[in-house]
Amino acid sequence: DIVMTQSPDSLAVSLGERATINCKSSQSVLYSSNNKNYLAWYQQKPGQPPKVLIYWASTRESGVPDRFSGSGSGTDFTLTISTLQAEDVAVYYCQQYYSTPITFGPGTKVEIK
Amino acid sequence: EVQLVESGGGLAQPGGSLRLSCAASGFTFSTYAMSWVRQAPGKGLEWVSGISDTGGSTSYADSVKGRFTISRDNSKNTLYLQMNILRAEDTAVYYCAKANYDILTAIDYWGQGTLVTVSS
Repeated sequence: DIVMTQSPDSLAVSLGERATINCKSSQSVLYSSNNKNYLAWYQQKPGQPPKVLIYWASTRESGVPDRFSGSGSGTDFTLTISTLQAEDVAVYYCQQYYSTPITFGPGTKVEIK
Repeated sequence: EVQLVESGGGLAQPGGSLRLSCAASGFTFSTYAMSWVRQAPGKGLEWVSGISDTGGSTSYADSVKGRFTISRDNSKNTLYLQMNILRAEDTAVYYCAKANYDILTAIDYWGQGTLVTVSS
């Protein structure tokens, strides 16, 4: 199974500042035949189901604000919130869908400083 | 508008069974893979099982393999999860989730979830 880890566990960022979340997979999730990274990012607010933000490591889902961006390849990935807004307070999860069982990272809680 | 509505959750005894259903609408159900994802109280997300668009291919997390069975009825636009030999550690909110295309793609829609509690 591919194990996903995230850092930090939580972070507190001032409004308007940058938030950076890291995700690492225990093996590469880059599929060489199509050069795609099978990695997604989800946002979950309290009492709500998750919502996809980014897929293929860097493709923003329709309707997601452009302050959210994803980068990385192979085993190391980053989700960046360029200017944190109050509505971005949530837990963020990375997920690999390169192989089953599909696995999620443990989550990173983002709060306002 | 895509809608996924789960039902069938509730209280079950250890060793017991429950069957979850997910009614899908707003998209061509038979074209997309589907999954069940669960979240124990205060914990993270755990993928439980996935099924291909036709139902011909299924996959399970090791934690539920041999106890849970995923299925679908494309004529009824409904996804199912039969859960047997339930354990306390199966207690969680179970989400029905639509894949962007096949099982090995991102999840683009989630239901609101149904709570399963396993306790004597």
